[in-house]
Amino acid sequence: RKEVEQDPGPFNVPEGATVAFNCTYSNSASQSFFWYRQDCRKEPKLLMSVYSSGNEDGRFTAQLNRASQYISLLIRDSKLSDSATYLCAAISGTYKYIFGTGTRLKVLA
Amino acid sequence: ETGVTQTPRHLVMGMTNKKSLKCEQHLGHNAMYWYKQSAKKPLELMFVYNFKEQTENNSVPSRFSPECPNSSHLFLHLHTLQPEDSALYLCASSQELNPNEKLFFGSGTQLSVL
Repeated sequence: RKEVEQDPGPFNVPEGATVAFNCTYSNSASQSFFWYRQDCRKEPKLLMSVYSSGNEDGRFTAQLNRASQYISLLIRDSKLSDSATYLCAAISGTYKYIFGTGTRLKVLA
Repeated sequence: ETGVTQTPRHLVMGMTNKKSLKCEQHLGHNAMYWYKQSAKKPLELMFVYNFKEQTENNSVPSRFSPECPNSSHLFLHLHTLQPEDSALYLCASSQELNPNEKLFFGSGTQLSVL
């Protein structure tokens, strides 16, 4: 079983739609979680941290469910510019970032 | 710009060549990392340096040799690579080694081994 698993997609959604991705992790000792966004042929960029209490930043909401060992990302009112690959990361120890393979999102006009 | 600069952006090399990848961060961070990203695979951690001391070698073959002369610079020396080493190599930095620290990535070097 992969340490961090994501549905690779692609998720094709129309502009204005709400879309949600889940990411499961296998290491119950994971301490911190992040969502990164990666555009084609570019580097990953931090989108947001994920806290147990949930985290909202504009149209983006991230949540953590420790009991079921998954994190989620919700995007409301999708824009064309949201098209990208979304990587989740679970961190154990002091620096063991484990990334998923990413979920590809395409927002269609 | 994230403050992490990588050169070159693209590199094509033969299996007998020796080349080096360079990474420089202008963020005042103390930890630097090398990651490998192959198609349809997750980012793989290769090496970690903290205050220019190596703290992690994630079972990376010896044909990859890292060098960290100071906290701002990180190199990856390449020698006798294999075609399966073709990938995007990403440098990253963080303020310190802490699970709550965010990673800042460079734009990567797209490596092709012929």
